[in-house]
Amino acid sequence: ETGVTQTPRHLVMGMTNKKSLKCEQHLGHNAMYWYKQSAKKPLELMFVYSLEERVENNSVPSRFSPECPNSSHLFLHLHTLQPEDSALYLCASSQEFGKGAEKLFFGSGTQLSVL
Amino acid sequence: GQNIDQPTEMTATEGAIVQINCTYQTSGFNGLFWYQQHAGEAPTFLSYNVLDGLEEKGRFSSFLSRSKGYSYLLLKELQMKDSASYLCAVRDSNYQLIWGAGTKLIIKP
Repeated sequence: ETGVTQTPRHLVMGMTNKKSLKCEQHLGHNAMYWYKQSAKKPLELMFVYSLEERVENNSVPSRFSPECPNSSHLFLHLHTLQPEDSALYLCASSQEFGKGAEKLFFGSGTQLSVL
Repeated sequence: GQNIDQPTEMTATEGAIVQINCTYQTSGFNGLFWYQQHAGEAPTFLSYNVLDGLEEKGRFSSFLSRSKGYSYLLLKELQMKDSASYLCAVRDSNYQLIWGAGTKLIIKP
């Protein structure tokens, strides 16, 4: 039990589909993150929410749309994805955003395959 | 640009010691993290260094030299369960986390 739960664990979708990834944290944290992890590449930060407000949006294509309805839940809505979007999508949370020693707690990720 | 370098893959023997290096060039420095990630699982926090020197936690130790832009993670008495990827990350002057691509550690009996 990591305290951060992601569903689904695996997702296969066509380029015309619409799907959503869900993340829930049970740690009482104030910041939540979406990361993309591709093989042999560094983690790429996609979005950050602090106290339910988006504070980071790192030039992510509009086919990825985040939603943070409350401090415990984070969604990533996907539509018209490309095959190069296939990757592991990790959700993380931290007590606060932007502090030096702040460590991240990750979920196990959603392995996404776009056909 | 900002960059974190760590070896792609390392192999070590059960019971031995292994050192995983991480060098960084970043805009400022506000701490360095090591995370462990088993295949198909969540990355988990191992250590945080912000001052020079060695931090020891059981079988794992992490070292930092800010003047050299260098850190290492030292794993002693290796166990098969230590087979995982080890991720180095640096927090820069804007408190952004800059990540390395990770080092896959393979432990052989």
